[in-house]
Amino acid sequence: AQSVTQLDSQVPVFEEAPVELRCNYSSSVSVYLFWYVQYPNQGLQLLLKYLSGSTLVKGINGFEAEFNKSQTSFHLRKPSVHISDTAEYFCAVTGHNAGNMLTFGGGTRLMVKP
Amino acid sequence: GAGVSQSPRYKVTKRGQDVALRCDPISGHVSLYWYRQALGQGPEFLTYFNYEAQQDKSGLPNDRFSAERPEGSISTLTIQRTEQRDSAMYRCASSFGGELFFGEGSRLTVL
Repeated sequence: AQSVTQLDSQVPVFEEAPVELRCNYSSSVSVYLFWYVQYPNQGLQLLLKYLSGSTLVKGINGFEAEFNKSQTSFHLRKPSVHISDTAEYFCAVTGHNAGNMLTFGGGTRLMVKP
Repeated sequence: GAGVSQSPRYKVTKRGQDVALRCDPISGHVSLYWYRQALGQGPEFLTYFNYEAQQDKSGLPNDRFSAERPEGSISTLTIQRTEQRDSAMYRCASSFGGELFFGEGSRLTVL
């Protein structure tokens, strides 16, 4: 079984500032890791995923995340945020043999202020 | 269709009534997943299908919840004798190539 902890429920930040959304996971097996974004009244959309290979993963909208196995973390970063990045962000994990039965964190609400 | 379609988008029902939530996946997607998301929380896995076969239903909370996908396309999640604690957003997703594509969800409110 896996679990995911998103340490910050809300992150306020000014436009054009950098941001990091934290995600830590626990698992007894090797995992795949994901970040999803949810805009108001919309479905969840995949931002990026780590399956294997390079631990630095680049996704859509200028976001990137780094897989750190020793710290069991997969923090999401963006060097300069826009107002349009205001949304809820979810980190998720699945075991290598668990298909898309994802375990999600509780979410982090990113609030970008002008 | 172009994306995963769920209906109804909003459902208000009285405690004790049965509800059926429908999911129409992206055409050609073999796998279909149901998740439930309570307010202020992340989605929780309920069940999933490959084609018409239910592969895992370990996330269904109790026997009032059931799901089917009889022809390997559209799926229905049924909740019998609804209770207030069933109020949540119910999300369906279909999968191709390892990526999940989510619908906009069905928000259920049980009064």
